[in-house]
Amino acid sequence: GDSVTQMEGPVTLSEEAFLTINCTYTATGYPSLFWYVQYPGEGLQLLLKATKADDKGSNKGFEATYRKETTSFHLEKGSVQVSDSAVYFCALRYSGAGSYQLTFGKGTKLSVIP
Amino acid sequence: DGGITQSPKYLFRKEGQNVTLSCEQNLNHDAMYWYRQDPGQGLRLIYYSQIVNDFQKGDIAEGYSVSREKKESFPLTVTSAQKNPTAFYLCASSRTGANEQFFGPGTRLTVL
Repeated sequence: GDSVTQMEGPVTLSEEAFLTINCTYTATGYPSLFWYVQYPGEGLQLLLKATKADDKGSNKGFEATYRKETTSFHLEKGSVQVSDSAVYFCALRYSGAGSYQLTFGKGTKLSVIP
Repeated sequence: DGGITQSPKYLFRKEGQNVTLSCEQNLNHDAMYWYRQDPGQGLRLIYYSQIVNDFQKGDIAEGYSVSREKKESFPLTVTSAQKNPTAFYLCASSRTGANEQFFGPGTRLTVL
């Protein structure tokens, strides 16, 4: 079945450091890919998405590119802030007919220190 | 403002008791979902509903039940048959066929 593997955390960075969180997936067909963010004690918010190969999703300085050849969707940000401290989830949605389910990775906790 | 509300935010129950978690949305979405979140395990799908009066089991439906009598509401009952119910429960909704799911703030259930 479909699966998502993302790098284990926690990840601790200093403010203004470069961030990469790796995400790879296994899926049939051509899934849509997502990054969600969860701040402490809250639900998930969609951070960015990409629906086809070579698409780049971007939002709030975060970027991720859909790489079909490497089945990856790595999250990057050039300069992190303390307010970026959260748990980040990579997810996919299979594009097949009748499919509504999101498959999530286990999450990566990011802590940014001043 | 449109969104998803879940209540209560924190819920405590004694072992052997059933408990119902509320989820309401005013986004006019047809599809609704319940997920369970445990530390280090990401989110796992419990049940989902694509339309009123219809719902489907997800990956971990055992010990849970749902109903979908209204488009806006998708309550989840955690029954006494659920062996390890302590977790964070998240409700979500989406337009039919849409990629994006919108999440509520969650309910943290603790069994004493």
